Amino acid sequence: GENVEQHPSTLSVQEGDSAVIKCTYSDSASNYFPWYKQELGKGPQLIIDIRSNVGEKKDQRIAVTLNKTAKHFSLHITETQPEDSAVYFCAASPNSGGYQKVTFGTGTKLQVIP
Amino acid sequence: NAGVMQNPRHLVRRRGQEARLRCSPMKGHSHVYWYRQLPEEGLKFMVYLQKENIIDESGMPKERFSAEFPKEGPSILRIQQVVRGDSAAYFCASSPGQGVLEQYFGPGTRLTVT
Repeated sequence: GENVEQHPSTLSVQEGDSAVIKCTYSDSASNYFPWYKQELGKGPQLIIDIRSNVGEKKDQRIAVTLNKTAKHFSLHITETQPEDSAVYFCAASPNSGGYQKVTFGTGTKLQVIP
Repeated sequence: NAGVMQNPRHLVRRRGQEARLRCSPMKGHSHVYWYRQLPEEGLKFMVYLQKENIIDESGMPKERFSAEFPKEGPSILRIQQVVRGDSAAYFCASSPGQGVLEQYFGPGTRLTVT
């Protein structure tokens, strides 16, 4: 099955700086890579995703890159703000018989220091 | 649009009791996924259901755990004879299917077994 590794486990940045979270996956059949933000006591919230047919996607201050050859993908947050503080999860998903079975990384706790 | 709803939000059970967790998917969504999250860990896939069908239960323990998604009403995750190791946050996610890859999560049920 799929295995997703995520680094770093914790990340502290000054407000306004950039934050980068990196993930690797093992299953070359994975074709969908969502990123989730989880605030304390809440469910994960989908913030951005990328399909395997593109190498980069951007939405305002967040961007994701995907390197299929190396099987790694990254989340970039620019101009960080205190409200970006949360736990971020990457995930990888192959299409398994018509549905997406999602495997999550272990999470990165991001702290943005005002 | 109402999001994914889960209840109860918090559930306390004594060892040996039964826990029943409910999930109402987003309107128009017929696919439901259940995940378990242990403290300081990522989410682990448990089961994937469509209306009246279990499609993939490969992540669910074979004993004491069961799930259903009836034609009418919410999806239910049932844990019989709970043990302390069942203490975790249980999240459900829904998607509309039909080639749509995104999964949207509910706020979770935090189960504590005393």
